[in-house]
Order: sequence, then C-alpha cells, then structure tokens
Amino acid sequence: EAQVTQNPRYLITVTGKKLTVTCSQNMNHEYMSWYRQDPGLGLRQIYYSMNVEVTDKGDVPEGYKVSRKEKRNFPLILESPSPNQTSLYFCASSPGTGANEQYFGPGTRLTVT
Amino acid sequence: GESVGLHLPTLSVQEGDNSIINCAYSNSASDYFIWYKQESGKGPQFIIDIRSNMDKRQGQRVTVLLNKTVKHLSLQIAATQPGDSAVYFCAERTSYDKVIFGPGTSLSVIP
Repeated sequence: EAQVTQNPRYLITVTGKKLTVTCSQNMNHEYMSWYRQDPGLGLRQIYYSMNVEVTDKGDVPEGYKVSRKEKRNFPLILESPSPNQTSLYFCASSPGTGANEQYFGPGTRLTVT
Repeated sequence: GESVGLHLPTLSVQEGDNSIINCAYSNSASDYFIWYKQESGKGPQFIIDIRSNMDKRQGQRVTVLLNKTVKHLSLQIAATQPGDSAVYFCAERTSYDKVIFGPGTSLSVIP
C-alpha cells in the first residue's frame, strides 16, 4: 500500500530532551516536507526536501533540524524541545511534479512539558 | 481523533444539498491553488487543484472556481454526504516547491 508513515504517533517529553520523529514513504517520491498544525493556524511548513541531500527551510524552521540521506526517509529532529513546540506534526511527500499533490502521513502528536 | 478544528469557520449543510466553501488568497503570483480535506484524526488529503490560468475545474462531485480579480477561490461539493464532514483547507503554491495553507473551514453534514 502506498503510504507515508510516521513514528511515534504520540509522544510526551520534557523540555530539552532531544527527540526524533521518523518519516518514511514507499512511493519513490522526490519531494518531502514537514508541517506543524496548531488550532486556527492551518498547516505551517517547517522544512522541505526536493531530493536526497537537498533540504530547505520552510516558514517556521527555528528549533528543528532535518536530514535526507535516503530518498524514502526524512526525519525531523528537535535538539532541545521547548513547550512552544507542542503541536501536531505531519510529514508529507509528493512526486516530482511540484508540491501540489502531497500525500500526508497520519500525524505525530507531540507534547513538551 | 486529533482535534485540529478549534475556532474554525464552520459550515453546516443538509445531506444531499450542495456545499460551497470559500477561501481568499493573498499572493497574485501563485501558480496553483489547491484544496485539501482533513478528516478527524487523519492527515490532509488532496482533493483537487487548479492552475492560475484557469477559472474552473471539475472533479468527481467537486468543482473549484478561481476568481483572480478578487483573489477568491471556492470549492463546491455536489450532493453532500456524511463522509464529506471534515476540515477543508485551501492552499496556494507560491513556487514549485512551496505551498501555503489557509486556516481551514469545518464542514458539518446534517443527516
């Protein structure tokens, strides 16, 4: 089944404890992206990647890191999480035709206390 | 499921009626406009897009209208069904690799 998977789905952590949220897609898509979703704000892009070893900042990159060592994986790293990073995070991928038609993962609910 | 629809504009429609969801966009240079649907507890799902040089595009039970003069986009859903209940996001593609999402509209279908 063609899909985007994220792990973990739910995570509660404490301020300053490094964490990684994994994202993997099995559709051989070139484009991958991370979004955060907060009530009333829609989805805001954190980082995106056009291909392996190519990453770019989105609208809200502060406090996050990403890497794209393989085409299928695009992990999101929070080196020192803070409470304002409590949010619902989505990974998405898109074939090499632009960012129009993105396939989203199921989401990761992160709580930082 | 996850609650992401707090404080959103809400549209309530009787089952079988047509729904119209409206959206204003900001960037005149955007080359594509897109609609996504997000059901409770799930990630957004692509519905349809329209290129900026078009004013209407139809899909299965959906029609998107684009009015560039007033920077307005709408999604029409014909014969709305309970399964259409969701949050709907409009988005604009400002460059090949960048999409900006609106805050969303919650559609509630009354059986």
